Amino acid sequence: LAKTTQPISMDSYEGQEVNITCSHNNIATNDYITWYQQFPSQGPRFIIQGYKTKVTNEVASLFIPADRKSSTLSLPRVSLSDTAVYYCLVGDDTSGTYKYIFGTGTRLKVLA
Amino acid sequence: DVKVTQSSRYLVKRTGEKVFLECVQDMDHENMFWYRQDPGLGLRLIYFSYDVKMKEKGDIPEGYSVSREKKERFSLILESASTNQTSMYLCASSAGTGLGTNQPQHFGDGTRLSIL
Repeated sequence: LAKTTQPISMDSYEGQEVNITCSHNNIATNDYITWYQQFPSQGPRFIIQGYKTKVTNEVASLFIPADRKSSTLSLPRVSLSDTAVYYCLVGDDTSGTYKYIFGTGTRLKVLA
Repeated sequence: DVKVTQSSRYLVKRTGEKVFLECVQDMDHENMFWYRQDPGLGLRLIYFSYDVKMKEKGDIPEGYSVSREKKERFSLILESASTNQTSMYLCASSAGTGLGTNQPQHFGDGTRLSIL
């Protein structure tokens, strides 16, 4: 069964770039890797997803190496409002039963 | 923007009660999901549905059932509530059919359920 590993927490200062890595030893061959942001008392909010190499949108970039055993969410020039918990999501079908595997989340704190 | 609406933000029920949590999405999505979120355990999938009247068990279906009579509505039912079902419950929907992560899931803001 796929297992995802993320750092539990990270601190950063405003204006810095933040990189959060999720390691996933086993993911479904055709699936995308997806990242979410969650604020207190809200549901997770979609940030970005990708299959391989690099994907960029207006809020983040996602780097996925060729072996797809990890992914790195990059937040450029963070602000205080980026303080949140960040989750990766992968799918695993290696056991014969498909599973959605959320990471345990990385609590990012942005300091002034 | 996709809107996923959960009927209650906070709910308090008693042990043994039958509890209904309702979720409605407005984007004509085929897939709908129910998760629970607990500190230290992250999000765990209870059930999902890929079409009307279709359902699949997730990782922790015991003690729960679901109903999907209409495409936009997915209900989670606690047959006989117990204190260990006190949790944050999150509903989500996604486009496409069947399993996979190729379409992002869109979440509601959750129902914090307390079972006394």
